[in-house]
Amino acid sequence: DGGITQSPKYLFRKEGQNVTLSCEQNLNHDAMYWYRQDPGQGLRLIYYSQIVNDFQKGDIAEGYSVSREKKESFPLTVTSAQKNPTAFYLCASSIAPGGTGNTIYFGEGSWLTVV
Amino acid sequence: AQRVTQPEKLLSVFKGAPVELKCNYSYSGSPELFWYVQYSRQRLQLLLRHISRESIKGFTADLNKGETSFHLKKPFAQEEDSAMYYCAPHNNDMRFGAGTRLTVKP
Repeated sequence: DGGITQSPKYLFRKEGQNVTLSCEQNLNHDAMYWYRQDPGQGLRLIYYSQIVNDFQKGDIAEGYSVSREKKESFPLTVTSAQKNPTAFYLCASSIAPGGTGNTIYFGEGSWLTVV
Repeated sequence: AQRVTQPEKLLSVFKGAPVELKCNYSYSGSPELFWYVQYSRQRLQLLLRHISRESIKGFTADLNKGETSFHLKKPFAQEEDSAMYYCAPHNNDMRFGAGTRLTVKP
């Protein structure tokens, strides 16, 4: 079902703590993406990676960090510098960056709540 | 970056009425545009792509280069069409539109 697994589905974090959200795909896709989804604001791009060991900032990268050491994995760390981290986070992947026919596949998402 | 605009955050229609979800793009060239849909408690998924000129679940979308638009249309909306709809240009950074929440009332 989709081949993209995000974990955990629900996570609570205390203020001042870093937390890492996992995203794994077994689709052999080169490109991976992280989005944040807030009510009324749609999807906002945090980071994206077109290939292993390379990634670029999206529109709202401040307070987040990523790594792409393996093709199948693209973890997102929400740092204590992120001022409003409570949100729904979506990971996605595609065979290659952009282009015709390169459908984006999404994970089920992770809910992060800061308490 | 190539960008799209979805001017309506919320759209509400009655069952059986026509529906049009607007998407405008602001760059030149030949864009690769897609519509994605997110039903309640389901993953975000592809609805249709302009290159294939297909109709999915009664929805169609035509690329209008003169108006730089890629509006999603359905002649007779159904209650099960209620969902969040995103327009997206397929390029290296995959920046989606802000989305439109469609509610189809009985």
